[in-house]
Amino acid sequence: EAGVVQSPRYKIIEKKQPVAFWCNPISGHNTLYWYRQNLGQGPELLIRYENEEAVDDSQLPKDRFSAERLKGVDSTLKIQPAELGDSAVYLCASSLGPLGTDTQYFGPGTRLTVL
Amino acid sequence: AQSVTQLDSQVPVFEEAPVELRCNYSSSVSVYLFWYVQYPNQGLQLLLKYLSGSTLVKGINGFEAEFNKSQTSFHLRKPSVHISDTAEYFCAVRETSGSRLTFGEGTQLTVNP
Repeated sequence: EAGVVQSPRYKIIEKKQPVAFWCNPISGHNTLYWYRQNLGQGPELLIRYENEEAVDDSQLPKDRFSAERLKGVDSTLKIQPAELGDSAVYLCASSLGPLGTDTQYFGPGTRLTVL
Repeated sequence: AQSVTQLDSQVPVFEEAPVELRCNYSSSVSVYLFWYVQYPNQGLQLLLKYLSGSTLVKGINGFEAEFNKSQTSFHLRKPSVHISDTAEYFCAVRETSGSRLTFGEGTQLTVNP
């Protein structure tokens, strides 16, 4: 069974440029998460989707970050414009459902460096 | 709101020695507890989880953890580590009625020959 796929794996951009990350969850997983992991810290939730609906985006900086999950499968996270402080690893995860018992499976992440 | 504290940021050990990675959590309601491992340049992989039942949970790669409700702890243990266990380990908590997973800051386990 294929795991969570993310691309690109690495991205280097200059500040004020836009950037986008793509995630393909495990087949059949209805719940999709985007996390940000700063250096030396644990992941922090940015947004959670149930199918195509964003049900928890309270941690998403909406002035510059946006996300979508068209057709309830793949998802894209965008930053525009990027700032130096956005340098981090962006992780996508998926689970069968939103229950606490549903295991979250993580992708390898996209490491973003903003210069 | 829930929170997680991993008491050691770095744990160096020698190969074949036992290891314990400590995790304490805070929550006003019932929780589920998880340990994830992250190898360099990879995503997080679930080691084990406590949902209910026996407080001693066994996971992959010979790891186990014990849920202690009175001490609000969920320490991870392995009786004999290998070089390949070198990685970052994250403890996480999730309220049984909620959906948000909260992670600790991680413990870097380094196994030396």
